[in-house]
Amino acid sequence: AQSVTQLDSQVPVFEEAPVELRCNYSSSVSVYLFWYVQYPNQGLQLLLKYLSGSTLVKGINGFEAEFNKSQTSFHLRKPSVHISDTAEYFCAVSSSGNDYKLSFGAGTTVTVRA
Amino acid sequence: NAGVTQTPKFRVLKTGQSMTLLCAQDMNHEYMYWYRQDPGMGLRLIHYSVGEGTTAKGEVPDGYNVSRLKKQNFLLGLESAAPSQTSVYFCAVRLAGAQSTDTQYFGPGTRLTVL
Repeated sequence: AQSVTQLDSQVPVFEEAPVELRCNYSSSVSVYLFWYVQYPNQGLQLLLKYLSGSTLVKGINGFEAEFNKSQTSFHLRKPSVHISDTAEYFCAVSSSGNDYKLSFGAGTTVTVRA
Repeated sequence: NAGVTQTPKFRVLKTGQSMTLLCAQDMNHEYMYWYRQDPGMGLRLIHYSVGEGTTAKGEVPDGYNVSRLKKQNFLLGLESAAPSQTSVYFCAVRLAGAQSTDTQYFGPGTRLTVL
């Protein structure tokens, strides 16, 4: 079984400040990890993913995440946020042994203020 | 969004009515998934398909049925809608092949309200 916990449900942040969204997962097998973003009234867009290789993953819009196997974490970071980063962010995990089904966290709402 | 479309975009049903949501893809993806999104719960998998003619249950399958008669289309049916099925429904397809592209891409969603 696999599961994801997003440790913060709401993250308010000022424009141009850094932000970190925390994600922990549990799984008994090797995993693939993803961050998706959902802007208001839209679908989900892939931000970045970790499949294998380098543990530091860079994605779109200046986001990056680091896979930490020992701490079973995949935290998302951005050094300087913009108003347009206001959205809901979802961490998700899948694995090859279960038809690549995604398990999602509950989501973190990021609100960027001027 | 990898050519994934969902029909309809919005729908309001009365309790007990039935309806079918359509997910269509214009590429040759084997895997297709139906999720529902509810506030504070993220997305949960309802049913999925690993190829034409196959379906399997996900995390929350009760009250739903699916069919994949054609590779391009994945249908989600509600036989007797209940208010608890008020949600936003997302279809996803999995781009497979080379591991570096092993990712699910989502359609725009269907917002369903059951009164």
